[in-house]
Amino acid sequence: AQRVTQPEKLLSVFKGAPVELKCNYSYSGSPELFWYVQYSRQRLQLLLRHISRESIKGFTADLNKGETSFHLKKPFAQEEDSAMYYCALSGHPKNTDKLIFGTGTRLQVFP
Amino acid sequence: DVKVTQSSRYLVKRTGEKVFLECVQDMDHENMFWYRQDPGLGLRLIYFSYDVKMKEKGDIPEGYSVSREKKERFSLILESASTNQTSMYLCASSSRVSNQPQHFGDGTRLSIL
Repeated sequence: AQRVTQPEKLLSVFKGAPVELKCNYSYSGSPELFWYVQYSRQRLQLLLRHISRESIKGFTADLNKGETSFHLKKPFAQEEDSAMYYCALSGHPKNTDKLIFGTGTRLQVFP
Repeated sequence: DVKVTQSSRYLVKRTGEKVFLECVQDMDHENMFWYRQDPGLGLRLIYFSYDVKMKEKGDIPEGYSVSREKKERFSLILESASTNQTSMYLCASSSRVSNQPQHFGDGTRLSIL
C-alpha cells in the first residue's frame, strides 16, 4: 500500500540551528515526491519537488530510493520557517495526479 | 498566478443540515480535489474529479458527495451534516500534465453543532 510517514508531529529548534524534517514513503513504483508548507493563516503551497532538484528558501530534499526517504533539510533555520510541513507522494497506479499526504510536522523556530 | 477560491472561510451549521462547500479555480485545470485537514491526521482525500461530470471517491468519501457541472467549479456536499464532520476543508486543482503540483484554496473551517 502507498503510504507517507512523517514520524515527528513537532520539531522545535533555535534560530541558526540545522533542521531536518523526516519523510519516509512506501511505494512499489517510481514515486514523485513533494514538500508542501502552510504558514500561519496562509494557504497550503508547494515548497519543492524532487524532480526539480532545486533549493527553495534554503531548503533541499534528496530522494533516497534505498532508504525510501525524502527528508527536508535546511542548514540554518530562520524564524520565518515556522510552519506546518507536509510530505506528499504522487504515483497512484491509475492516475499520477492524486497525492498521498503524510500527517505533517510542525516546525517551530525560536529566536 | 493560479487562484483557487473557496466560497466561505468559516461556516457554522447544525446537525442534519445539507451543507454545500463551493470551490472555483481560474486556471482551466482539469483536476480538482476536496480534502479535509485534521490535526494529527494530515490531509485526507474525500473526492476528486478529472473532468466535468466525472468524480472518483478518495479515501474518506462516506457522508459526502460532489458535483462538477462546470470545469471551473467543484462542489462538496454534506448530505446530512454530523458533528464528526467538523473540520477544515481544502479544495485544490491541478493540470492534467503529469505530476503537476496541486494549488490549494484558503480552506473552509466548518463547524457542525
